[in-house]
Amino acid sequence: EVQLVESGGTLVQPGGSLRLSCAASGFTFNNYPMHWVRQAPGKGLEYVSAISDNGLNTYYANSVKGRFAISRDNSKNTLYLQMGSLRTEDTAVYYCAREGQGGAVGDYWGQGTLVTVSS
Amino acid sequence: QSALTQPASVSGSPGQSITISCTGTSSDIGGYNYVSWYQQHPGRAPKLMIYDASNRPSGVSNRFSGSKSGNTASLTISGLQAEDEADYYCSSYTSSSTLVFGTGTKVTVL
Repeated sequence: EVQLVESGGTLVQPGGSLRLSCAASGFTFNNYPMHWVRQAPGKGLEYVSAISDNGLNTYYANSVKGRFAISRDNSKNTLYLQMGSLRTEDTAVYYCAREGQGGAVGDYWGQGTLVTVSS
Repeated sequence: QSALTQPASVSGSPGQSITISCTGTSSDIGGYNYVSWYQQHPGRAPKLMIYDASNRPSGVSNRFSGSKSGNTASLTISGLQAEDEADYYCSSYTSSSTLVFGTGTKVTVL
C-alpha cells in the first residue's frame, strides 16, 4: 500500500526556518517525481515545489523561490522541504504528493502537516 | 502565475449532471494536455479524479469525466450523488515547468 506521511509542521516565528519531511513507503520511491502543495486555512490549493525522480531538477512557485528548497534522499525514501525566511502568509497545511505514471500529479497524497507562522 | 478560474459554486439535485469549468491561458491549459482535477472533502487530503485532461485513475467512478477545449477544461459529474458534495480543484502544467491550481469550486447536492 502506497503511503506518504508528512512531519515537521509546528508553530514558528516570522523570519524563522523549518524543515518538513515526507516519508514514502509501498512503492519504488526513486522512480517518481514528487511535489509539495499547500493550503492556507479556509483557502484553495497552492503549488509550492517539485523535484524529479533523481533529484537533479527542482521547480518552485514564485512565492517561495529563493526561500524554500526541495530535496530528496532516495536511500531513505524521504522527501524534504527546507523552509526559510518564513512569513505569516506561509501558514498552511503542507501536503506531499506523488506524480504517477503519465504525469498524474497527486495520484497519492499525504495527510498533510500544519505550519503556523506567527509571533 | 495566476490561479486558473473556476466558478465558486455549482449545485445540482441527485441524479442530475453538473459541469465545472476551469479557464486558463495559452501558457497553461491551452498549451498542454496536462490538466488534472481533484476532489477534496472537508479536513481531508485531495483525491485525484482526472489526469491528462480526460483520463480517470483506477478506482474513480466513471460518473466523472473530463474534457478540454482551447484554454478551458471541464469536469462533468453525471448521476450526482450525495457523496459528491465536496470542493473540486483543477490544475495545469505551465510554460514555467510548474503547476498552477484553480480557484476551487464548491459542489452542493441539493
